[in-house]
Amino acid sequence: EAGVTQSPTHLIKTRGQQATLRCSPISGHTSVYWYQQALGLGLQFLLWYDEGEERNRGNFPPRFSGRQFPNYSSELNVNALELEDSALYLCASSLQGRLSTDTQYFGPGTRLTVL
Amino acid sequence: AQSVAQPEDQVNVAEGNPLTVKCTYSVSGNPYLFWYVQYPNRGLQFLLKYITGDNLVKGSYGFEAEFNKSQTSFHLKKPSALVSDSALYFCAVRDALSGGYNKLIFGAGTRLAVHP
Repeated sequence: EAGVTQSPTHLIKTRGQQATLRCSPISGHTSVYWYQQALGLGLQFLLWYDEGEERNRGNFPPRFSGRQFPNYSSELNVNALELEDSALYLCASSLQGRLSTDTQYFGPGTRLTVL
Repeated sequence: AQSVAQPEDQVNVAEGNPLTVKCTYSVSGNPYLFWYVQYPNRGLQFLLKYITGDNLVKGSYGFEAEFNKSQTSFHLKKPSALVSDSALYFCAVRDALSGGYNKLIFGAGTRLAVHP
């Protein structure tokens, strides 16, 4: 069974540009989560999508946004990039996100570098 | 508010010795607890979780974790460490009272170094 996939693996942008990151969940999973792993800041929850809708959002500015498509894949968009947005962005998926016991399975991540 | 603490930034163990990576948590209701491992330049891999029942949970790659409600701890253990276990380990918690809309909270991570 294929795991969570993310593309691209690496992304280099300059300050002020926009970045788009993509995620495909494990087959059958309907929930997708996005996390930011920046140096020294640990894993920070960004967004949760379930059944096509945004269900929860972390403490990030509105320039971080995303969506979930009918096939449950997801896209994270970061507008007006700042240097501190440089991080590893991890996507996770789960089978039943509205269950507190649900396990999240992670993809390999996209390394975003902002110059 | 929920929180997770991993008190050790790094744990050093000799190969073949038992290892323990510590985690303590704080939630309002009953906790759901998770351990993940991250190898260099990779995503997180799920190791095990505690939901309810037996306090000793067995997971992948020979790892286990012990839930202790009175000490609000969920320490990760392995009887005999391997060099290949060297990685970054994350503990995470979700509060059962907050429902499915509550996010998973991660600790800061503990780097495990197993020496030959």
